[in-house]
Amino acid sequence: DAGVIQSPRHEVTEMGQEVTLRCKPISGHDYLFWYRQTMMRGLELLIYFNNNVPIDDSGMPEDRFSAKMPNASFSTLKIQPSEPRDSAVYFCASRSTGSRGYEQYFGPGTRLTVT
Amino acid sequence: SQQGEEDPQALSIQEGENATMNCSYKTSINNLQWYRQNSGRGLVHLILIRSNEREKHSGRLRVTLDTSKKSSSLLITASRAADTASYFCATVPSGNTPLVFGKGTRLSVIA
Repeated sequence: DAGVIQSPRHEVTEMGQEVTLRCKPISGHDYLFWYRQTMMRGLELLIYFNNNVPIDDSGMPEDRFSAKMPNASFSTLKIQPSEPRDSAVYFCASRSTGSRGYEQYFGPGTRLTVT
Repeated sequence: SQQGEEDPQALSIQEGENATMNCSYKTSINNLQWYRQNSGRGLVHLILIRSNEREKHSGRLRVTLDTSKKSSSLLITASRAADTASYFCATVPSGNTPLVFGKGTRLSVIA
């Protein structure tokens, strides 16, 4: 298996622009998680899905952030409009309900820089 | 919200020495996991210890769990330069809830 795939790996954009981050979970995994990592705040859970349905989006910082999972093999995290404080590394992770101990598998991350 | 807190925040040791990292958490847990993150990469699962276990080994890794103190430790024996990374503890509060991560310990192993 290729693991969790994220694209792009790096994104540089100007303040006010729309940013879309993409994730392909591991095939057969029914949970998908979006995290944001910064030096100041560490690894924050933004939102997670179970069977393509959003379960908890309480970590989404503002209405500028939205996430979708139209099918079991694809999810997007969109920021519109983007701001410099959104600069961070965004990780997608997935796991299976049947996984031992709820181990999560992470993608390589998307490093977002908003200027 | 973060439940786990790792200690120390940063650790620098010589190759061949042992490295010990600690994690404290706040609520009851189903299990506790340790992850490693190399610079510029995603997190990778290392080891899991269930709430009814006290110690677990995997290669050069040894994890202990003290549920009465709500704490865990990760010991890496005979460290290597390749062990240089950030190490995170993560707890599963209950059921199918997501992992809750601490801020990590940055380990530097000097050759």
